[in-house]
Amino acid sequence: EDKVVQSPLSLVVHEGDTVTLNCSYEVTNFRSLLWYKQEKKAPTFLFMLTSSGIEKKSGRLSSILDKKELFSILNITATQTGDSAIYLCASVQGGNEKLTFGTGTRLTIIP
Amino acid sequence: DGGITQSPKYLFRKEGQNVTLSCEQNLNHDAMYWYRQDPGQGLRLIYYSQIVNDFQKGDIAEGYSVSREKKESFPLTVTSAQKNPTAFYLCASSIVGLAGVSEQYFGPGTRLTVT
Repeated sequence: EDKVVQSPLSLVVHEGDTVTLNCSYEVTNFRSLLWYKQEKKAPTFLFMLTSSGIEKKSGRLSSILDKKELFSILNITATQTGDSAIYLCASVQGGNEKLTFGTGTRLTIIP
Repeated sequence: DGGITQSPKYLFRKEGQNVTLSCEQNLNHDAMYWYRQDPGQGLRLIYYSQIVNDFQKGDIAEGYSVSREKKESFPLTVTSAQKNPTAFYLCASSIVGLAGVSEQYFGPGTRLTVT
């Protein structure tokens, strides 16, 4: 059975800190990994990773994939209160394009 | 304005009644998905469809049914057979290119409460 595990489940840090969120996966015929941010309702897309070792960056957020060790990390530097959200990762299976989501990491930034 | 719409935003039903949640997209995406999200949990896949008139069961399809008669529409029916239907339901769509699925776009969700 395909599995995506995120850690930690919950994280509380002070504004300005740097955080690293983890996502490990066990997926048959893995194609890519997606990261999302969910604040109140619908998740919003952050990154799609398909190749190992290539960092994707958007402002203070960055992410990288390790296909040998089957994990990805999402880094957020100089955190702000607006970064408070649930961060979800999902694996995409090749062929049927089925997504499997992790349970998410709830990040809380204290001013 | 391109996007995905879900209606209604909030839905209340009595136990034993079937209910249909609407999902429409005007992004010309081939693939559409239904997820369920419970408090403290991630998204769990109910059904998905890569093309019109075809759909596959996800991880928790029991008690649900779908149809995909048009590319733009993917309604989800929560039947009385679903044991615990109260949840937040999210619809999504995506392009399926040569490299497979790219990012998914999500609708605003429908919160269903069954009493």
